[in-house]
Amino acid sequence: AQTVTQSQPEMSVQEAETVTLSCTYDTSESDYYLFWYKQPPSRQMILVIRQEAYKQQNATENRFSVNFQKAAKSFSLKISDSQLGDAAMYFCAYRSGGGADGLTFGKGTHLIIQP
Amino acid sequence: DAMVIQNPRYQVTQFGKPVTLSCSQTLNHNVMYWYQQKSSQAPKLLFHYYDKDFNNEADTPDNFQSRRPNTSFCFLDIRSPGLGDAAMYLCATSRVAGRTNKNIQYFGAGTRLSVL
Repeated sequence: AQTVTQSQPEMSVQEAETVTLSCTYDTSESDYYLFWYKQPPSRQMILVIRQEAYKQQNATENRFSVNFQKAAKSFSLKISDSQLGDAAMYFCAYRSGGGADGLTFGKGTHLIIQP
Repeated sequence: DAMVIQNPRYQVTQFGKPVTLSCSQTLNHNVMYWYQQKSSQAPKLLFHYYDKDFNNEADTPDNFQSRRPNTSFCFLDIRSPGLGDAAMYLCATSRVAGRTNKNIQYFGAGTRLSVL
């Protein structure tokens, strides 16, 4: 079974600064996807960024980028120029490549943005 | 223009009293998922419907059932809620075609269930 570990229950960053959220995972599969989801208070979970395991290039979406280290099974999220609206729970998630499998989530990191 | 809608947002039930949570979607996705998210824990997949095919996770308690009467709607039934079933319940949808699934899951805002 796959596992996802987020070792930082809470992180705090000053507005406009850069913060990195950590995630490690364990799997024996070669075909899989990794995701970062954001869950603002009382609102739905939305996708921040996605990485396909077969792609060596790290995914980027505007101010969000990942550092995907496949051999180390590490998938960290970097948020540049942090904004107040970035405050949320961030979940790292894993999904097998084929079929309709659901997501395996980490416990989440609560990100606080200091004005 | 919400795409995955969960009703109600908050549900209070009594210990042992059956309760049903609802999820609807306007995305015409063929897969619908139910996750349970307890406080300070990771969301955990309970089961999913791939079209009309029901797929239960091995460790999902028998107390939890699901129905999908059509593409748009999916229900989570808890037959005899216990105190340990108090949680946020998340519905998600995805479009899957063939063996390769590159598509993401879209989530509803969740239903927070309290058991008294």
